[in-house]
Amino acid sequence: AQTVTQSQPEMSVQEAETVTLSCTYDTSESDYYLFWYKQPPSRQMILVIRQEAYKQQNATENRFSVNFQKAAKSFSLKISDSQLGDAAMYFCAYRSDYKLSFGAGTTVTVRA
Amino acid sequence: GAGVSQSPSNKVTEKGKDVELRCDPISGHTALYWYRQSLGQGLEFLIYFQGNSAPDKSGLPSDRFSAERTGGSVSTLTIQRTQQEDSAVYLCASSLPPGQLINYGYTFGSGTRLTVV
Repeated sequence: AQTVTQSQPEMSVQEAETVTLSCTYDTSESDYYLFWYKQPPSRQMILVIRQEAYKQQNATENRFSVNFQKAAKSFSLKISDSQLGDAAMYFCAYRSDYKLSFGAGTTVTVRA
Repeated sequence: GAGVSQSPSNKVTEKGKDVELRCDPISGHTALYWYRQSLGQGLEFLIYFQGNSAPDKSGLPSDRFSAERTGGSVSTLTIQRTQQEDSAVYLCASSLPPGQLINYGYTFGSGTRLTVV
């Protein structure tokens, strides 16, 4: 079974600054996908960024980027130029076939 | 529809009553999933449908929980004889079949918040 660990229950960042969320996972698979989802108070799970394990290049989506270290089984998310709208719970997720396995989440607060 | 629709948005029920939660997936999405999210926690997998069949129902916590899907579309999650520990947000998601290359992730609904009093 795959496990996903997010060791930071809460993170706080000043508006316009950068914050990095950590995620590690455990798997014996070689081919899989990794995701970061954002969940605002509306409860809607919003896909922020995804990474295919076979790609060495780190994924980037505007102000969001990842640091994917396959050997270390690490997948951190960097939010640059943080905005008030980034405040939410962020979940790291792993998928090899059909099932998404989630970490416990990190609550991000943005200080104005 | 354009997104995954779940109803009701909120449900308060008395302990011991049965409840039904509904999920209407994106048209054409053959895969459908139910997850449970307890307060401040991550998402716990409950069941996976491919079409009308459920090849993985390993996450259902007890025999009080059941789910069905009809016509390869709408799914209903039923909880019988609800208990207070069933209080949570129940999220539904849908996707294209796992083998399709563009099937990178799920589209989630906004969930049903169930409160058992």
